[in-house]
Order: sequence, then C-alpha cells, then structure tokens
Amino acid sequence: DAKTTQPPSMDCAEGRAANLPCNHSTISGNEYVYWYRQIHSQGPQYIIHGLKNNETNEMASLIITEDRKSSTLILPHATLRDTAVYYCIVRVVADFNKFYFGSGTKLNVKP
Amino acid sequence: DTAVSQTPKYLVTQMGNDKSIKCEQNLGHDTMYWYKQDSKKFLKIMFSYNNKELIINETVPNRFSPKSPDKAHLNLHINSLELGDSAVYFCASSLAGDTGELFFGEGSRLTVL
Repeated sequence: DAKTTQPPSMDCAEGRAANLPCNHSTISGNEYVYWYRQIHSQGPQYIIHGLKNNETNEMASLIITEDRKSSTLILPHATLRDTAVYYCIVRVVADFNKFYFGSGTKLNVKP
Repeated sequence: DTAVSQTPKYLVTQMGNDKSIKCEQNLGHDTMYWYKQDSKKFLKIMFSYNNKELIINETVPNRFSPKSPDKAHLNLHINSLELGDSAVYFCASSLAGDTGELFFGEGSRLTVL
C-alpha cells in the first residue's frame, strides 16, 4: 500500500546532519510528501511536509527533487533524542487523502 | 492539554472477550482515524470518520466496530477478541482537506491472551 521506499536503517553521529532519503516515484502532481517520526512506541509525531518547494521549520528541512520522485529529510544537528523511526508518507488525494505509512527508516544517533 | 487522548493506555484481556478503546480530540478537527501497529511496526489505517460519518473502512474484520458520537470522539469496539488482535492501536485526527497534518494519540496497547 505504501507509495514510498526508504532504507531500513541509518546511523548518524551526534551533532552531525542526518540526511534521510525517500523514493516516491509514483507520486501524483497534487500529492504532498509528509514526514513523521516515532520514538519508541509513542504516537507518531509530525515533522514537516511539502509539495514542490523545499521547506524548512524548526525541526528539519525537506528537499524535494524537481521531478518530485524523491525527497530528503535533513536534521541539521542530530541529537541522541532524534533516535527514532522516520516515516516518509505520500498523502493519497484520490483515496480520501489517506496517509499510507511505509516501513520507515530507523535512525540511530550515536555519541 | 492533551490534543488527542486515548484510554486505556494498556489493556490485557482473554480471547473471546469484548473490549472498547476510547479516543477524544480537543483540536476542533473534523476527521478522526484509527490505525493499528502490529509487532513488525507497520502502521495500517483501519477507519476514518469525517463529521461522524464513516469515510474509510479498510479490510478490517467486522468484529471491529468504530463509533463516533460526535466529531470530537471516535471509539473502537472489538468483539470476540483473537490473539492476532494484539497490537498498539493509535487514534489520530486532522482537518479535512489535502494539507492537514495528522495528530496522533499516545496509543493503546492491547494484549490478548
């Protein structure tokens, strides 16, 4: 069901930038890319979303390629508390705006 | 103030029992959801309600029955519980439309023995 593919896991050194890739090659022109993260078994937490342009907020930056077939979530200065599973999601407009979660990337931030 | 709250947080019960999980949101959202996260951590949508009306019903056994008394509440009732129903159930809410973000509750961990 998921329209995205992500690497299952990544490591990042504390204080360095974490770049999490996502492929969404079948995305439609009016579908947004969302990123969420889940720490332990807590409820998933919204990070950022975008359509075409790059976006930045206090948590992260989202870089979307010009053809919109892939994107990268950037955590500029990863901390140990950023260790979590990160989900890249395409919200399917034609299917009642459903959020389809894939298997996500487990980001391990190491001291 | 908790935006999306679920009760109970933990639920342990025997096979064959009937149980309910309650969800309330104070965000003024008009759309609410139930998601199931299994032991492999996949999050799957089960149901979605918009203004008390069912709009998404994935292929979920009819032992699962959602009920929305008003747009701030979406409860999940499960009949004749089975071992495979053990999972974490997340409630979420959003504004209608294609840009609203999902706000999740903290989850309800159901264990069926």
